[in-house]
Amino acid sequence: DQQVKQNSPSLSVQEGRISILNCDYTNSMFDYFLWYKKYPAEGPTFLISISSIKDKNEDGRFTVFLNKSAKHLSLHIVPSQPGDSAVYFCAASGTTSYDKVIFGPGTSLSVIP
Amino acid sequence: DTAVSQTPKYLVTQMGNDKSIKCEQNLGHDTMYWYKQDSKKFLKIMFSYNNKELIINETVPNRFSPKSPDKAHLNLHINSLELGDSAVYFCASSQGDLYGYTFGSGTRLTVV
Repeated sequence: DQQVKQNSPSLSVQEGRISILNCDYTNSMFDYFLWYKKYPAEGPTFLISISSIKDKNEDGRFTVFLNKSAKHLSLHIVPSQPGDSAVYFCAASGTTSYDKVIFGPGTSLSVIP
Repeated sequence: DTAVSQTPKYLVTQMGNDKSIKCEQNLGHDTMYWYKQDSKKFLKIMFSYNNKELIINETVPNRFSPKSPDKAHLNLHINSLELGDSAVYFCASSQGDLYGYTFGSGTRLTVV
């Protein structure tokens, strides 16, 4: 039972353009959503997060949008850079250490110079 | 200075053996985790410890036993290794989920 879904296994974007990575979830009890970035042979790195009380959070080139009614979130990267090429994991959880963080399967982003 | 370090990075072993993976964090975080990334690339939680206390114990075979001697260390011991245990195991720590996890670089376990 996949509670967090990333339906696009891969995405290619031209350098300088916008990258949009999508994520859907099924559990309406999730309160907190995170994006992680992973390079090969490294562990995932925390990128940006959003609480369920917000619909947008921005950090530099990265913006996460949350649509609670649709149980959908997206990560926008603009402008995309070749160094952004990595696997991006969407994750969701409650807000305490006792809540499990559930990860999606990841989307591999390639930014073409 | 690595924040979350796991050893070994690679581990190749035969079926039936017992092996351990060690994890240490120097971030002062209260909570540590073990995640397994399977062949389909899903990251699935196995265990979570908060201040040496087990708080999440997912449905994993009891051949897997975590041990936390102090809040900076969380080791994973695996008995009677099976082919299906082959995966990448990630250790992570956090100071509450709101701040995200800091992951180690992973241990690639191959059971032959």
